[in-house]
Amino acid sequence: DAGVTQSPTHLIKTRGQHVTLRCSPISGHKSVSWYQQVLGQGPQFIFQYYEKEERGRGNFPDRFSARQFPNYSSELNVNALLLGDSALYLCASSSVPASWVTKEKTQYFGPGTRLLVL
Amino acid sequence: SQQGEEDPQALSIQEGENATMNCSYKTSINNLQWYRQNSGRGLVHLILIRSNEREKHSGRLRVTLDTSKKSSSLLITASRAADTASYFCAMDFGNEKLTFGTGTRLTIIP
Repeated sequence: DAGVTQSPTHLIKTRGQHVTLRCSPISGHKSVSWYQQVLGQGPQFIFQYYEKEERGRGNFPDRFSARQFPNYSSELNVNALLLGDSALYLCASSSVPASWVTKEKTQYFGPGTRLLVL
Repeated sequence: SQQGEEDPQALSIQEGENATMNCSYKTSINNLQWYRQNSGRGLVHLILIRSNEREKHSGRLRVTLDTSKKSSSLLITASRAADTASYFCAMDFGNEKLTFGTGTRLTIIP
């Protein structure tokens, strides 16, 4: 079975531009979460979607938005890019919302999209 | 801001030795999870321990949880070169997200 897939793998943008990152969860998984990982730090939570509804939002500005489609894939959009947005963006999928995770129903992470803002 | 701290930040040991890394957090948790990350790519789930559990084992991994001290430790026994990676603890505070620690960078010297 395919794991979580993310596209693109790498991306270079300039300040002020807009970017869209995409995530396809594992087949059958209805929950998608997005994380930002700045170099040398642990991932920070951005959004969680379950059954196409937002279930959680991290401490990120309104420039960050996301949505989940009927097939449970998801997009993360970032407007007016800043240099500080340069990071690895990780998507995680699970069959249940994050707060219902158990040993048997854990989150699976994709390989990430590495974004560089110049 | 991160609500989990890990130590040490970096650890280098000889192959075959045991590696221990620690995680501390500040508020009550539902569960705590450990993840591995190779070369800044995706995270791999290693083990989950619930707040009412004190110890879990999975292969060469042993995790302990002390809720009174708000701390957890991950022990990797008989280390191998393939264990070289960054290890993160992640806390479920019951707020619909995982909060990750700062990570420990483990290097196994052949």
